[in-house]
Amino acid sequence: AQSVTQPDIHITVSEGASLELRCNYSYGATPYLFWYVQSPGQGLQLLLKYFSGDTLVQGIKGFEAEFKRSQSSFNLRKPSVHWSDAAEYFCAVGMVDGGATNKLIFGTGTLLAVQP
Amino acid sequence: GAVVSQHPSWVICKSGTSVKIECRSLDFQATTMFWYRQFPKQSLMLMATSNEGSKATYEQGVEKDKFLINHASLTLSTLTVTSAHPEDSSFYICSGKRFGGLAGNNEQFFGPGTRLTVL
Repeated sequence: AQSVTQPDIHITVSEGASLELRCNYSYGATPYLFWYVQSPGQGLQLLLKYFSGDTLVQGIKGFEAEFKRSQSSFNLRKPSVHWSDAAEYFCAVGMVDGGATNKLIFGTGTLLAVQP
Repeated sequence: GAVVSQHPSWVICKSGTSVKIECRSLDFQATTMFWYRQFPKQSLMLMATSNEGSKATYEQGVEKDKFLINHASLTLSTLTVTSAHPEDSSFYICSGKRFGGLAGNNEQFFGPGTRLTVL
């Protein structure tokens, strides 16, 4: 069965420090992978996505993620965290049905706190 | 672009009453809309998928008679929680998928969510 695992429920980093959020997936075919960020009172915002091609994907707000098929991972990284990055981050895998991504399966999320 | 709104953002109701939540795509046509439920400190769980003009497809374990979904136009979908009970209290989130585009490149755009509290 398809699933997404985010091993870290809560992470605290200092402002300016680097960040890596882990995501592992289980999916039988080539995955469509997404990272979303959820801030209080706001909808989920797409940070980046991977469909094919270059396995290092650049996103908004300085985030990047690397798809590693051998490890079934799609970890999110940022070289220098800003206080405004404090939020909850969700990794998701898209299930493909007839060539179109129809459903998203989400991980349990990682809550990021940023210390001054 | 690609903004989705939800109304209301927060609702409190008495047990046994019905509550309707609206989801609108403001600047694009959403041929498909999704409804999710999110429990505190948990992930988003897909409840149902609705295509404009068709009956919604519910995920296993979701009661279709309790969670009525209508997708009457390309910009509006509604979720009605019928005979609500305290266990239905949750955060409900909708998303819309834009019409057209390359197959596989179907990003979902999410609404801000609706907090339902049933007393």
